[in-house]
Amino acid sequence: EVQLVESGGGLVQPGGSLRLSCTASGFTFSIHEMNWVRQAPGKGLEWVSYISSGGVTIYYADSVKGRFTISRDNAMNSLYLQINSLRAEDTAVYYCARDLGCTSTRCYVDAFDVWGQGTMVTVSS
Amino acid sequence: SSELTQDPAVSVALGQTVRITCQGDSLRSSSANWYQQKPGQAPLLVIYGKTNRPSGIPDRFSGSSSGTTASLTITGAQAEDEADYYCNSRDTSGDHRVVFGGGTKVTVL
Repeated sequence: EVQLVESGGGLVQPGGSLRLSCTASGFTFSIHEMNWVRQAPGKGLEWVSYISSGGVTIYYADSVKGRFTISRDNAMNSLYLQINSLRAEDTAVYYCARDLGCTSTRCYVDAFDVWGQGTMVTVSS
Repeated sequence: SSELTQDPAVSVALGQTVRITCQGDSLRSSSANWYQQKPGQAPLLVIYGKTNRPSGIPDRFSGSSSGTTASLTITGAQAEDEADYYCNSRDTSGDHRVVFGGGTKVTVL
């Protein structure tokens, strides 16, 4: 079964840090680009960060640039998000999401075809 | 940066057809993808590359696009289609950024 499982969320004080993890199974993790997407309580989806299949190319949303760091370990089938200098507005469910990438006929952009169940990050004093 | 605009809510009678739209300048050059999200669940990809359905998605879901507007149509809506629907695409204004629409709550009456 193709699956992504996040972990590492929790309650943290403003200014604190957390490291989120996402473990993949059931597919060849190393060939897929990956993303983090978050959703604040009662709000919509917000893309957070992207990492290429080899981990060389990385992008961030402006709202997290300089505070969040995405990384991956293809040998461990794992994706990570180091989140520092946390603010109240970072409170959200954080999802890891797989990029569909290329089929046999063409490539697709930013189509997230597999999602984890999410891990909740709460920033509060 | 670009934005994607969706109507906040629409309703549809059971078995009828509903169209959800997503508007944004980025859609002139970047394809829209659509996601369904039910309460307490992760999003589910229902349409990718404007018109393609992933395996397992019922054929009552279809996608189309024209100019700066992408659409998701549910033909013969079922009770289980009641959910939030989000579009996304690549922001074409600069670096690799992904934008999501604000979401449309679909209520099946």
